[in-house]
Amino acid sequence: NAGVMQNPRHLVRRRGQEARLRCSPMKGHSHVYWYRQLPEEGLKFMVYLQKENIIDESGMPKERFSAEFPKEGPSILRIQQVVRGDSAAYFCASSQPGGLETSYEQYFGPGTRLTVT
Amino acid sequence: GIQVEQSPPDLILQEGANSTLRCNFSDSVNNLQWFHQNPWGQLINLFYIPSGTKQNGRLSATTVATERYSLLYISSSQTTDSGVYFCAVERASGTYKYIFGTGTRLKVLA
Repeated sequence: NAGVMQNPRHLVRRRGQEARLRCSPMKGHSHVYWYRQLPEEGLKFMVYLQKENIIDESGMPKERFSAEFPKEGPSILRIQQVVRGDSAAYFCASSQPGGLETSYEQYFGPGTRLTVT
Repeated sequence: GIQVEQSPPDLILQEGANSTLRCNFSDSVNNLQWFHQNPWGQLINLFYIPSGTKQNGRLSATTVATERYSLLYISSSQTTDSGVYFCAVERASGTYKYIFGTGTRLKVLA
């Protein structure tokens, strides 16, 4: 059973360009979360999505950032007009819906390291 | 919002030593996980432990939800245990998002 997959693993963008990060959840998982980790810091929640729905985007910056999880295909985190402060590691996690027989345990992908030059 | 504090912030051990890492949280939680972030940046699931005690090899964890803390025990530490250990909690209001602690940076010396 493949784990959470993210690509690209490393992404370099110049200021003003767009960054598009992809996340494929584990098989059977319908919940996707995006987190950001700045250097030497812990992870900070950005957004929680289910198929075709944004459930909680309270951690997303108001401008330039958007996320989607379409019916088919991976979840996408899009950052428009990147700035140097966007340089960070972006992690995606997935979980099952949870319930009596299953847990809400989140599994993390390897991350995408974004560098803005 | 909920505060998650981990201690100690930094820890240096000789190979073979034992250690206890602590995670305190300021509000009731539904879920709690411990992760190890290795030197390559990968996040590895250690325990999903909203309550009770679990063991996996040299590692074990205990969460006392009523007293709002969790402990991670590492016995007979190895150099491969080096990295940062995070606990993450989900508030009991069912938000599903994890709030991460500040981490404990562990270095195990050969």
